[in-house]
Amino acid sequence: DAGVTQSPTHLIKTRGQQVTLRCSPKSGHDTVSWYQQALGQGPQFIFQYYEEEERQRGNFPDRFSGHQFPNYSSELNVNALLLGDSALYLCASSLNRGGYQPQHFGDGTRLSIL
Amino acid sequence: GQQLNQSPQSMFIQEGEDVSMNCTSSSIFNTWLWYKQDPGEGPVLLIALYKAGELTSNGRLTAQFGITRKDSFLNISASIPSDVGIYFCAGLYNAGNMLTFGGGTRLMVKP
Repeated sequence: DAGVTQSPTHLIKTRGQQVTLRCSPKSGHDTVSWYQQALGQGPQFIFQYYEEEERQRGNFPDRFSGHQFPNYSSELNVNALLLGDSALYLCASSLNRGGYQPQHFGDGTRLSIL
Repeated sequence: GQQLNQSPQSMFIQEGEDVSMNCTSSSIFNTWLWYKQDPGEGPVLLIALYKAGELTSNGRLTAQFGITRKDSFLNISASIPSDVGIYFCAGLYNAGNMLTFGGGTRLMVKP
C-alpha cells in the first residue's frame, strides 16, 4: 500500500521561473493539502484540495496555485519564483469522512531558487 | 494569525533520560497533534489528542491536551538513540482544515 509520493525530490530553479510540483495521495485518500517548510521552521499551510476544488487557503500570495485531478492526485504551481520560495514543499493526504482524519505526509520536494 | 510557540528549541540529553517538551498558543484548538520528522523525510504522526484534559500514550510517548485548549505537552520516557529528530506540535481548529505547526524541538540523544 503506497503512501504519499511526491515528485521530483529535488529541484533547482532561478528567480522569475515557474515550477510545478506533483503529489499522489495515499491509496483511498481523497483530500490533499500542501505545506511549505522553510529551513529550521515548522510547515506552513498553503492550501487544501477536495473534489478538485480549493477548500481552504493559508496566507500565501496568488503566485501559489494548485490543481486536483479526478484520480485525487494534485499539483502545486508557483509562478515568478523568489529567493524566499526556497523550501521543502510537503504534500499531505487524508480522507474526508467527518471529524478529524489524520494527514499523512510525503517526504517532500526540496526546491532551491538561485 | 494563529501561532504555536514550542519549547525548548533544542535538547541534548543522555540515553535513558526522560524528555519533556511543550507547546502553547494564543488561540484555542480543538485537536492537538504531535509529529516527528527525521532528516530528508516528511513528518510522521505520533499522537493525536481530541479532548481538553485528555492524556494519551503511545509506547514510551505520553501527550496531554491542556484544559484551556491552548497548550499541550509531550513526554518521552527512557530515551534511545532512534528518538533523535525534530518534534513538532500542531493544532487544528476545524476538522479537515489547516494544521498550524509549532517551530519544532530538535532532540539529540547521546549514547
